Amino acid sequence: QVQLQESGPGLVKPSETLSLTCSVSGGSISTYYWSWIRQTPGKGLEWIGYIYYSGSINYNPSLKGRVTMSVDTSKNQISLTLNPVTAADTAVYYCATGRGAYFDFWGQGILVTVSS
Amino acid sequence: EIVLAQSPGSLSLSPGERATLSCRASQSVTSSYLAWYQQKPGQAPRLLIYGASSRATGIPDRFSGSGSGTDFTLTISRLEAEDFAVYYCQQYGSSPITFGQGTRLEIK
Repeated sequence: QVQLQESGPGLVKPSETLSLTCSVSGGSISTYYWSWIRQTPGKGLEWIGYIYYSGSINYNPSLKGRVTMSVDTSKNQISLTLNPVTAADTAVYYCATGRGAYFDFWGQGILVTVSS
Repeated sequence: EIVLAQSPGSLSLSPGERATLSCRASQSVTSSYLAWYQQKPGQAPRLLIYGASSRATGIPDRFSGSGSGTDFTLTISRLEAEDFAVYYCQQYGSSPITFGQGTRLEIK
């Protein structure tokens, strides 16, 4: 059973960089595509993008230019950076994965607030 | 981008009743690559259905999915207390992956 755990700062200042890490246990990071998804009361669930261990990446065009994902196979971790951020990036951020481009496994989510 | 419109926005039913939730896509969903999720407060979404009609591991058979093209349905045959939650559809046939805005299922 794959388990995911997001970590990172809960507060980020506007125009700065949001950096999150997803730690993977119970499964090989080279097996699945790994996605980041965020959720806000206003926009609902928004897929940010996915990355495969080989480096294959697909970002949501709505965030392109601001988002970067990477994989560290030695640490079994996936990372997300978003720069620069605004108040509109305040959300619960999830990492998620599955056998297809649907999501069997989710982290518990981390609330990131963008505020000065 | 495929826009998914879920209806109704909220649904009030009693335990034991049947729930029918709709998800309509702005264009045809490739190969019925549509999934349904259940989300309870403070929790991550939980996969119920993938491929429009295949139940995920451990999902009770009172949950069923159907549809193709642009019209999809999630049916809960006999509601139990733990089924009252928010339900989302998701399409993964075209990039970007998109989600519907959700249907809130409330106890009457």
